[in-house]
Amino acid sequence: KAGVTQTPRYLIKTRGQQVTLSCSPISGHRSVSWYQQTPGQGLQFLFEYFSETQRNKGNFPGRFSGRQFSNSRSEMNVSTLELGDSALYLCASSLEIYNEQFFGPGTRLTVL
Amino acid sequence: AQKITQTQPGMFVQEKEAVTLDCTYDTSDPSYGLFWYKQPSSGEMIFLIYQGSYDQQNATEGRYSLNFQKARKSANLVISASQLGDSAMYFCAMRELNQAGTALIFGKGTTLSVSS
Repeated sequence: KAGVTQTPRYLIKTRGQQVTLSCSPISGHRSVSWYQQTPGQGLQFLFEYFSETQRNKGNFPGRFSGRQFSNSRSEMNVSTLELGDSALYLCASSLEIYNEQFFGPGTRLTVL
Repeated sequence: AQKITQTQPGMFVQEKEAVTLDCTYDTSDPSYGLFWYKQPSSGEMIFLIYQGSYDQQNATEGRYSLNFQKARKSANLVISASQLGDSAMYFCAMRELNQAGTALIFGKGTTLSVSS
């Protein structure tokens, strides 16, 4: 069974631009979560989706948004990029919301 | 509010030795799940082991076992017979199961270095 895939793997953007990250969960998994990982803040929760509905949202500004499609694939969008948005963005999927989450390889975003 | 604490920034162990990575948590929810993940330098998070708050026995998965002490609110990961490939960052995580709107939260992590 294929694992969680994330595209792109690496991204370089400049301040003020916007970016869209994509995540394809493991087949059959209905829940997708997103995390931001930085050396200073560690792993921080962004969003959680289940059956196309946002179930939870972390403490991030409104520039961060996401959605989940009917096939469980998810996208995350960050508008008006800031230098501090440089991070590894990890997507994870699980069968149901409370099951163990399986992570993708991440998208490394660099904002210049 | 739920909280996870990993007090060991780094641990060093020799091959074939056992090592314990500490994790303490805080929650008022009697129903919760505890998870351990491994993150090698490549960046991908790898699920290792799960312990439910109502599980009577400590979880084990191959060389990994979870030393669950509910009264002390600790969930330490024990890796037996360490291998060079175990060198990585290890994260403890928790999720409350009765509270709506909660998410999986992670500790700051412990870097494990295994030497030959």
